[in-house]
Amino acid sequence: EADIYQTPRYLVIGTGKKITLECSQTMGHDKMYWYQQDPGMELHLIHYSYGVNSTEKGDLSSESTVSRIRTEHFPLTLESARPSHTSQYLCASSGGQIYGYTFGSGTRLTVV
Amino acid sequence: GNSVTQMEGPVTLSEEAFLTINCTYTATGYPSLFWYVQYPGEGLQLLLKATKADDKGSNKGFEATYRKETTSFHLEKGSVQVSDSAVYFCAPHRSYSSASKIIFGSGTRLSIRP
Repeated sequence: EADIYQTPRYLVIGTGKKITLECSQTMGHDKMYWYQQDPGMELHLIHYSYGVNSTEKGDLSSESTVSRIRTEHFPLTLESARPSHTSQYLCASSGGQIYGYTFGSGTRLTVV
Repeated sequence: GNSVTQMEGPVTLSEEAFLTINCTYTATGYPSLFWYVQYPGEGLQLLLKATKADDKGSNKGFEATYRKETTSFHLEKGSVQVSDSAVYFCAPHRSYSSASKIIFGSGTRLSIRP
């Protein structure tokens, strides 16, 4: 079944650690996105990609980085986690304007 | 630029009440319009969509009509249930050349009392 997967669902990690949040989709979508969701629910675009080897920063400045080496895989990395990175991270992909986005279940990150 | 204004929450209703969540947008060109729903602890799910003027999207008893003249896409349901408690996001989606980004509203939290 075509879908989009995020791992882990929950992560508690110490300050200064390097972490990678995984996102994979089986739909063959070129366009993929990372959103950060604050406790007030608002979604902030932090990274996006329109295809392999294409990555762009989003509207909200983020210390994270992303890569897109394969169509199906769009991981997000934090080199040195800080408590201010505590948030929910949502990955999405799109097959085009009329289809909208398909979201993963999210990763809730807590940095202590 | 593109933007969306969504009814502020939280909205609290009794079961079987009528629901309206207002959404208006500004966008260049001709966007597709979406409503997404987020249940507690989960990612967003597509609830319904409309891709051209006067189209009505519907799903799970929810409806919304693409009103180009008023640039609106209000979400309605005739009789809400406790299971409808969630956060709802209005989202126009416009693609042009290679760019394709959805602009999300700020979300409306809906709570339904038994």
